[in-house]
Amino acid sequence: GAGVSQSPSNKVTEKGKDVELRCDPISGHTALYWYRQSLGQGLEFLIYFQGNSAPDKSGLPSDRFSAERTGGSVSTLTIQRTQQEDSAVYLCASSPQFSYGYTFGSGTRLTVV
Amino acid sequence: QKEVEQDPGPLSVPEGAIVSLNCTYSNSAFQYFMWYRQYSRKGPELLMYTYSSGNKEDGRFTAQVDKSSKYISLFIRDSQPSDSATYLCAMKQDAGGTSYGKLTFGQGTILTVHP
Repeated sequence: GAGVSQSPSNKVTEKGKDVELRCDPISGHTALYWYRQSLGQGLEFLIYFQGNSAPDKSGLPSDRFSAERTGGSVSTLTIQRTQQEDSAVYLCASSPQFSYGYTFGSGTRLTVV
Repeated sequence: QKEVEQDPGPLSVPEGAIVSLNCTYSNSAFQYFMWYRQYSRKGPELLMYTYSSGNKEDGRFTAQVDKSSKYISLFIRDSQPSDSATYLCAMKQDAGGTSYGKLTFGQGTILTVHP
């Protein structure tokens, strides 16, 4: 596609439920990143995938968070047993190997009630 | 203390003004410095990037990096109402010339340019 696509664009879930957020990167981009943006805050790094290498999971805030990338393309971020503090905009970005900027999607706005 | 500090503003200026946005950082390993612009309910978009110290100009935008002071700036000349957005600084360590590696972002500065 022309850009990074994220779905759903909005998600309201009850506390304790699991959610899955999807990211379709730009075709051919080898790196994929997940960030979280809370209200009035900057972007908090969560995880990134680089080609076939092991992902850098150093930003995941707890073991309730996990992500996978299938076939070097689509990625899913899963949050188990959601808490109210998980409410935020989850942004996905991708980049080709030799480029210094990411292309971001518009994000998934998650609200935990 | 955060690795990257950015005054969240908000900053309100009249159309045509020169805008100065700044970030400071503590990690001397940062080599790549970027500015992103984010409109409401959209993802950030890359505006400028600079490698190491120096200046870079692109139209009405100028990015400056002073590694000795660990300080970066973005200047917007002849500001327009369409420049109203949140501006985020971001930085990254060297990854062998590739794009790989996480970006560390500032909090973002909310800018409003009024007609």
